[in-house]
Formats: sequence, C-alpha cells, structure tokens
Amino acid sequence: GDSVTQMEGPVTLSEEAFLTINCTYTATGYPSLFWYVQYPGEGLQLLLKATKADDKGSNKGFEATYRKETTSFHLEKGSVQVSDSAVYFCALSTTNFGNEKLTFGTGTRLTIIP
Amino acid sequence: DTAVSQTPKYLVTQMGNDKSIKCEQNLGHDTMYWYKQDSKKFLKIMFSYNNKELIINETVPNRFSPKSPDKAHLNLHINSLELGDSAVYFCASSHRPRSRGEAFFGQGTRLTVV
Repeated sequence: GDSVTQMEGPVTLSEEAFLTINCTYTATGYPSLFWYVQYPGEGLQLLLKATKADDKGSNKGFEATYRKETTSFHLEKGSVQVSDSAVYFCALSTTNFGNEKLTFGTGTRLTIIP
Repeated sequence: DTAVSQTPKYLVTQMGNDKSIKCEQNLGHDTMYWYKQDSKKFLKIMFSYNNKELIINETVPNRFSPKSPDKAHLNLHINSLELGDSAVYFCASSHRPRSRGEAFFGQGTRLTVV
C-alpha cells in the first residue's frame, strides 16, 4: 500500500541554520505530494505541494522538489526562524477508484532555538 | 471566518460513555474526513465521505459511527469509549478533483478518556 517515510525527530537547530527534513514515499500511480505544518495547539495547515514529477513547491521560504527517480520530497529552508518551530508532516495523495486519500508520514518535530 | 470548525475543542469523559464530535465546513467542499492523531503525533485516516456517502472506512471499530447530514457537516459519534480512544481527532475537507488531494483541517478535538 501507499506509505510515507520521513526523518525521525525531534530536530533542534539554531536560528538561521539550514534545514532539511527528508521524506520518501511508496505509491502506485502518480501521487500528489504535500508538506503540512502543525503549530502547537493547532490543526494542520498546508505548507506547500507538488502535483507532478520535477515540480517544486515553495512557501514561506520552504521548498521541496518532487523527485520521481528517488521517490523523495525533501523539505528545505535556507535560514530557519524561531517561529518555524512546529511539527512537519510529509503526505501523499492518491486516487483509488475515484476516491482521494491522504497518507501521512509520522511527523518531524522541529525546534528552533534563538 | 473559520473554514473547518470542530466542536468541542476538548472533551474529557469516562470509560463506557458515548460522545459526539461535530464538524462543519463552509468551503463548499464535497468531501470530508476524520483523522485520528495519537500521542506520538501519528495521523491516520478513519473515514471519508463524499456528497454524504461513505467512501473510506479504514478498519475502525464499529463503536465509531460517522454521520453526514449534509455535505457541509460530518459528525463522529463514539459509543462505549475506551482508554485507547484518547487522541486528537481532526476533521478535514477537500474538493475532488479540483484540490488534487489538498485538504483543509479543523483545529482538532482532544479527547481524553479516564
């Protein structure tokens, strides 16, 4: 079945450090890929997405490129801020007999220290 | 305007009780979901409804019964609550096929069974 594997956390970085959170996936067909972010005490928010191979999703300084050859969608940011502290989820969406389903990774908790 | 709203935000109840969580979306979406997030932040889909019709039921105990009175509402009723039901429950919505799997999430309902 479909699955998403992402880097185990927690990840702790200093402000202005470079961030990479790895994500790889297994899916039949051609999934769409997403990064969602969950700030403390809140629901999930879409951070960025890519719907086909070689697409790059970007938002708020975060980027991820859909790599079909390596089945990866790694999240990167050049200079993190304290306000980026949150849990990040990689996810894929597949359509089976017309029904869409989001499958999430286990989440990576990111803490940025000043 | 809250796009996807859930009530209550917190729910503490005793084992064996029956409780309901309500969800409403004002986005005009045709598909709604319930997800369960455990203490380790792992997110798993429970149900999906499209135009009030049950589409996905992911091996959830039949103590859990979703009800969709209309496209904008998807409620979750839980009978005979057990300690293992303690989790955060998220409602979400999307619009097939336009959204390409992107879902909008509510703030979550933290259920604690004592």
